[in-house]
Amino acid sequence: AQSVAQPEDQVNVAEGNPLTVKCTYSVSGNPYLFWYVQYPNRGLQFLLKYITGDNLVKGSYGFEAEFNKSQTSFHLKKPSALVSDSALYFCAVRGYTNAGKSTFGDGTTLTVKP
Amino acid sequence: DTAVSQTPKYLVTQMGNDKSIKCEQNLGHDTMYWYKQDSKKFLKIMFSYNNKELIINETVPNRFSPKSPDKAHLNLHINSLELGDSAVYFCASSQGALGSYEQYFGPGTRLTVT
Repeated sequence: AQSVAQPEDQVNVAEGNPLTVKCTYSVSGNPYLFWYVQYPNRGLQFLLKYITGDNLVKGSYGFEAEFNKSQTSFHLKKPSALVSDSALYFCAVRGYTNAGKSTFGDGTTLTVKP
Repeated sequence: DTAVSQTPKYLVTQMGNDKSIKCEQNLGHDTMYWYKQDSKKFLKIMFSYNNKELIINETVPNRFSPKSPDKAHLNLHINSLELGDSAVYFCASSQGALGSYEQYFGPGTRLTVT
């Protein structure tokens, strides 16, 4: 069975500082990994994904994520946080088999303070 | 143009009633999904259809019945509503069922059962 862990319920950073939102995963075979963001009272928005190739993936709004196969991690990062980045972030994994079923982490609330 | 739309946005109803939520996507995608997000913001897949065929059917009470009249539409009918059904229901779509495709989410339907 596939699973995703987001070990931090809440991450607080000051505006202008770098941010990291952590994600580890478990899946059979090669993983497909995703990050989504949810603003209050909105649906989830796709940020970026890792399929294959370069371990550093760049996505929307200046976010990037680093795939680390040995540590089974896919941490989301941004060099300089904005107050507008404050939202709920979800990591998700999809496997080769399983009809493309997505398993989502429990979410991490990011708060960026001015 | 709204990519994935859901109606209604809010639904307040009494226990025992039957209700439906409708979803439409104009992205030309082959695969559609229903997710449930509970009060703790945890997100769980319920169903998935690929080209109108049911491919994911999670452990969901059989009071929930999805229907896909065509590739662009996926509806969710709920019979005999219970208090525990209160949640936000998200429709999503992806280009295909393969795990490499990201998902596009609708704005959600907030269901409140009293």
